[in-house]
Amino acid sequence: DSGVTQTPKHLITATGQRVTLRCSPRSGDLSVYWYQQSLDQGLQFLIQYYNGEERAKGNILERFSAQQFPDLHSELNLSSLELGDSALYFCASSVLRGGQETQYFGPGTRLLVL
Amino acid sequence: AQTVTQSQPEMSVQEAETVTLSCTYDTSESNYYLFWYKQPPSRQMILVIRQEAYKQQNATENRFSVNFQKAAKSFSLKISDSQLGDTAMYFCAFIRSNAGGTSYGKLTFGQGTILTVHP
Repeated sequence: DSGVTQTPKHLITATGQRVTLRCSPRSGDLSVYWYQQSLDQGLQFLIQYYNGEERAKGNILERFSAQQFPDLHSELNLSSLELGDSALYFCASSVLRGGQETQYFGPGTRLLVL
Repeated sequence: AQTVTQSQPEMSVQEAETVTLSCTYDTSESNYYLFWYKQPPSRQMILVIRQEAYKQQNATENRFSVNFQKAAKSFSLKISDSQLGDTAMYFCAFIRSNAGGTSYGKLTFGQGTILTVHP
């Protein structure tokens, strides 16, 4: 158990709908990362938040947005869903310790868009 | 931009034997870290081992060790005494760091290698 929690574990929805994925980082971790794992694209970085502020952006679609709240949990919002958005969405949290940052991954949310 | 390449889509090994998974990367960065993550059938991403690019000594973690060749930009993972529980997809990953050794930012992953350990 990495200490990172994600809810829900599974999500089935229809095209055009909107969903929210939630992530709670490990205690004390200030950074939260979101990654998407799909069959055709592999593991791709979406976005990073650090202590409530957006730190870096990757291949995140305009239909997707995220935020990190004062209690450091993060939410990833996916809207106008398409079949191709079906994927495993990971959240990872990290802390800088001794000059090293290690990202610890949550169990993921499996999204199926029908 | 960094790229990470794992040229072996699938590998198999007999229980108790040794297997080596390959990874090459391309970067213009001088300072970085490399990782191997394991993803078993449960789909959880588990850190296996980490290598700091500024260290010449290869990292080891119990039965897992790496062969880091910085000039060749190669980072292979050796699993000794393979166990059935090692069956998983293995991802090589890269993260940049600053000159002080502080890593930051996104992980860039390879495509993964599916390892099957046979009894």
